[in-house]
Amino acid sequence: GEDVEQSLFLSVREGDSSVINCTYTDSSSTYLYWYKQEPGAGLQLLTYIFSNMDMKQDQRLTVLLNKKDKHLSLRIADTQTGDSAIYFCAEPNYGGSQGNLIFGKGTKLSVKP
Amino acid sequence: EAQVTQNPRYLITVTGKKLTVTCSQNMNHEYMSWYRQDPGLGLRQIYYSMNVEVTDKGDVPEGYKVSRKEKRNFPLILESPSPNQTSLYFCASRSPGGGPGETQYFGPGTRLLVL
Repeated sequence: GEDVEQSLFLSVREGDSSVINCTYTDSSSTYLYWYKQEPGAGLQLLTYIFSNMDMKQDQRLTVLLNKKDKHLSLRIADTQTGDSAIYFCAEPNYGGSQGNLIFGKGTKLSVKP
Repeated sequence: EAQVTQNPRYLITVTGKKLTVTCSQNMNHEYMSWYRQDPGLGLRQIYYSMNVEVTDKGDVPEGYKVSRKEKRNFPLILESPSPNQTSLYFCASRSPGGGPGETQYFGPGTRLLVL
């Protein structure tokens, strides 16, 4: 079955780059997503990448996709304290309900001043 | 403003006392779902609904019920809550189809404690 895995914690200093990694299992995924959950809030879509792309850049965010290895990463440049949150990698669940996403367990990013 | 609302945001209850968590969306979305979030387990889908009167089980449906009588509302019902249902619950909605534009919108969450 599908599974999405990511490390649970990452700690960086303010101004450094953060790299959050994710591996997924369904090679037929057309889109892969990164969601952000700030403390006490719900999940919000942060960015996504289409499977025929290797890289997508959006301001401080860079998403890299390695389809061969089924590896997805999110790089946050010049990390700020406001970036402290839990980041979830997600892929569509084609084997399950239409519209359902399979989420990783989330990576908690802590940014130290 | 497009949004998904949930009520209550926080709830403390006792074992066996029936409760309902409401969810409402104002985007005319057909697809709605409920997730629970637990430490170390991430998000797991409880139930989902493809449209009015169409609901189905997700990955962890035991102990929960849902109904979809109207398009905008998708309440989550715990007939006899137990302590293992202590969790953070999220409602989400999206329109059908695929692609990145059809992202799921999440509610703010309901934190439930069952004593």
